[in-house]
Amino acid sequence: AAGVIQSPRHLIKEKRETATLKCYPIPRHDTVYWYQQGPGQDPQFLISFYEKMQSDKGSIPDRFSAQQFSDYHSELNMSSLELGDSALYFCASSNRLGTSGRAEETQYFGPGTRLLVL
Amino acid sequence: AQTVTQSQPEMSVQEAETVTLSCTYDTSENNYYLFWYKQPPSRQMILVIRQEAYKQQNATENRFSVNFQKAAKSFSLKISDSQLGDTAMYFCALSGGTSGSRLTFGEGTQLTVNP
Repeated sequence: AAGVIQSPRHLIKEKRETATLKCYPIPRHDTVYWYQQGPGQDPQFLISFYEKMQSDKGSIPDRFSAQQFSDYHSELNMSSLELGDSALYFCASSNRLGTSGRAEETQYFGPGTRLLVL
Repeated sequence: AQTVTQSQPEMSVQEAETVTLSCTYDTSENNYYLFWYKQPPSRQMILVIRQEAYKQQNATENRFSVNFQKAAKSFSLKISDSQLGDTAMYFCALSGGTSGSRLTFGEGTQLTVNP
């Protein structure tokens, strides 16, 4: 079965640079979520999109922005990178209406993008 | 605000034995979902099992089962016949009652299966 695709898988940037992370959800999934997992920490919710509209916002810095496109893929744009932004960034997707017509809350995660800021 | 607590930072078990990981949570929602995710050394987040709060029956997936105690807000994971490949960080997570809600994770329990 198709899974969530994230690119790139690894990224090394310098401080104050910009990074763009991409996420391709599971086909027919309509909701995309972004999470940040620092070293030794649990994942923290950043932002989510449903049908190309922002649906929820968590602890996302103002330096970060994100959007979902017409083909449902999503991009997380990170500017003025700081050392503390070094983390594993996950994208997850879900389908609000499953084949049964009922809401399904299961989020399936991509492999993550490992960002290292030097 | 929703919270999830895992009070066991580390656990170990012998191969083929049974182990139980604990999780407690707090939410003001009446309808919500609970999950266990596994994160092996590859750091991929893998869904292990899910439980809908409105269902009284405990979820099971092969060797994995949960003990869901709604009144006590407890959601433990039992792994039977532990295998070396079960070695991973296990996260308990809660999704609120609104469709498309964010996941709130616990701190994680590092499980090591010993041969």
